[in-house]
Amino acid sequence: DTEVTQTPKHLVMGMTNKKSLKCEQHMGHRAMYWYKQKAKKPPELMFVYSYEKLSINESVPSRFSPECPNSSLLNLHLHALQPEDSALYLCASSQGSYVAGGNTGELFFGEGSRLTVL
Amino acid sequence: AQTVTQSQPEMSVQEAETVTLSCTYDTSESDYYLFWYKQPPSRQMILVIRQEAYKQQNATENRFSVNFQKAAKSFSLKISDSQLGDAAMYFCAYLVYGGSQGNLIFGKGTKLSVKP
Repeated sequence: DTEVTQTPKHLVMGMTNKKSLKCEQHMGHRAMYWYKQKAKKPPELMFVYSYEKLSINESVPSRFSPECPNSSLLNLHLHALQPEDSALYLCASSQGSYVAGGNTGELFFGEGSRLTVL
Repeated sequence: AQTVTQSQPEMSVQEAETVTLSCTYDTSESDYYLFWYKQPPSRQMILVIRQEAYKQQNATENRFSVNFQKAAKSFSLKISDSQLGDAAMYFCAYLVYGGSQGNLIFGKGTKLSVKP
C-alpha cells in the first residue's frame, strides 16, 4: 500500500462551522505534513509532524488546528475560517524525520481536500 | 534561505518529441535532495524523479531524466517521447536532509501542454 488517503475530497463550510480534514497512510511513515495550495500556485507548508510530535508550524493561524492521534493518522481541524482559506489542502507522508538515516526524502501525497469557505 | 526558481511558466511539446524543463535553486547546504513532481488536473502530486545531491550521476526514470549541475545549482528535467498523459503542472522541489526539521520547497511550477 503506497497510498495517502484524504477525506473528504470536497468540503463546503460556512465561516462559523467546525469541520475536520482527515489523512491516513499505512506505509509505516513517521513524518506527516499538511500543505495548502491555492489555484495555479505551488503548495505551501503548514505543519509537519515527526514521530507524532508537531515539529514545524509555519505560523499558521489558530483557526487551523492539527492533530496526529497516531503514526498513521493526521487531522486538520477547521474553525471560524475565512473565505481566503478556500484552497486545496494536501496531506503527505515520508519515511521519517529528517534526522533518520536512510530517508529517501520522497514525500507521498494524497489527492487533497478541496475546501470552499462561504 | 533556500529558493527554487522555475523560469518557464508554460511549455508546449508535440507528442513523441522531447522537452526540457528548467529549474535553478539556491542553497548553502551540501547535502539535499531535489525532486520533480507532476500534478495533473486530477490534482494528486506524483513524484517523477529524485536526485540526491551527493550523487554525481544524473537520475533517470524511463522517459524522464535530469541534468544535475551542482556547481551551477541547476536541475533540469528532460522528457523524451512525450505522451498526452505527460500534460500537467511540473514542480521542481528542494529538500534539505538532516537536522531536526526540514521543508520541501517548491518552485512556482511549469505548465506543460502536449499537442497530438
